[in-house]
Amino acid sequence: GDSVTQMEGPVTLSEEAFLTINCTYTATGYPSLFWYVQYPGEGLQLLLKATKADDKGSNKGFEATYRKETTSFHLEKGSVQVSDSAVYFCALTASSGGSYIPTFGRGTSLIVHP
Amino acid sequence: ETGVTQSPTHLIKTRGQQVTLRCSSQSGHNTVSWYQQALGQGPQFIFQYYREEENGRGNFPPRFSGLQFPNYSSELNVNALELDDSALYLCASSGPGQADTQYFGPGTRLTVL
Repeated sequence: GDSVTQMEGPVTLSEEAFLTINCTYTATGYPSLFWYVQYPGEGLQLLLKATKADDKGSNKGFEATYRKETTSFHLEKGSVQVSDSAVYFCALTASSGGSYIPTFGRGTSLIVHP
Repeated sequence: ETGVTQSPTHLIKTRGQQVTLRCSSQSGHNTVSWYQQALGQGPQFIFQYYREEENGRGNFPPRFSGLQFPNYSSELNVNALELDDSALYLCASSGPGQADTQYFGPGTRLTVL
């Protein structure tokens, strides 16, 4: 079945540091790939998505590129802020009989210190 | 455009009781999915409803059941609650043109004592 593997957290950075959170996936077919962010006590918010190979999703300074050859979708940000502290989930959605059932990674906690 | 809403926000039940959680989908969305998120874990897919029919189900026992109504709102029912059912329950909706993209509500925190 489909699966998503994320790097273990927590990732602890100082403000303005460069961020990378690794994500690799296993899927049949051609999935869409997503990053969601979850702040404490809240639901998941869509951060960015990419729907085909070599697409780059971007939002709020975060970027991720759909790499089919390495089955990866790593999240990057050039300069993190304290407000970026949250849990980040990588996910994929593949069509199965006309329905789209997402598969999520376990999440990576990011802690940014001033 | 109204986002996904869920009620109640928090709920405390005792083992063996039954609970109903509610979700209103985002305007224009016809598909609703439910997830269970245990502390420190990613969301686990429970089931999905499309136009009032169950459209997919995860690895959850039959005591987890659901409904979708003509206005595309949805309910999650859990019978015979167990301590391990304590979790954040998330509802997400998706719609035509972006069927692959889930938009989440804030969740209902269920505590089973």
